[in-house]
Amino acid sequence: AAGVIQSPRHLIKEKRETATLKCYPIPRHDTVYWYQQGPGQDPQFLISFYEKMQSDKGSIPDRFSAQQFSDYHSELNMSSLELGDSALYFCASRVGGGGGTDTQYFGPGTRLTVL
Amino acid sequence: AQSVSQHNHHVILSEAASLELGCNYSYGGTVNLFWYVQYPGQHLQLLLKYFSGDPLVKGIKGFEAEFIKSKFSFNLRKPSVQWSDTAEYFCAVNARNDYKLSFGAGTTVTVRA
Repeated sequence: AAGVIQSPRHLIKEKRETATLKCYPIPRHDTVYWYQQGPGQDPQFLISFYEKMQSDKGSIPDRFSAQQFSDYHSELNMSSLELGDSALYFCASRVGGGGGTDTQYFGPGTRLTVL
Repeated sequence: AQSVSQHNHHVILSEAASLELGCNYSYGGTVNLFWYVQYPGQHLQLLLKYFSGDPLVKGIKGFEAEFIKSKFSFNLRKPSVQWSDTAEYFCAVNARNDYKLSFGAGTTVTVRA
């Protein structure tokens, strides 16, 4: 079965650079979530989208922005990168709406290293 | 907002031993409960989930969990672990109709052959 795809899988950036992470949800999943997992920490919710609109927002820095496109893929844009942004960034998807399910399926993550 | 507490940070046990990982949550409303497993270098995979009904839920790979509403707990169990169960285990909660997940800090399970 198709899974959530994230690209790139690994990314190395310098401080103050920008990065763009991409997430392609499971086909027919219209809801996307972004989580950040720092070293040795639990995943923290960043932001979510349903039908191309932001549906919820967590502890996402103002330097980060995200959007969901017409094909339901999502991109997380990160600017002015800091050392503390080094983490594993997970994307998860589910079927939303009135007939949706509560189960989120996670992608393999993008490991971002900021030097 | 809901929060999740996992009792053990690191558990070490031998193959064939029984495993129980504790998870408590705090939230006054109706919740959905999940256990995810993260094998070394891999992404989060769903082990099992509880939405409603029978509080004893069975998941993949022989895992099960019991929801005890009065104790706000959702403990994970496996009667006999294998070396391949070495992984990090996360308990997660979302409030019904608020789908973002809140995770516990995770429990690293090391199974010695």
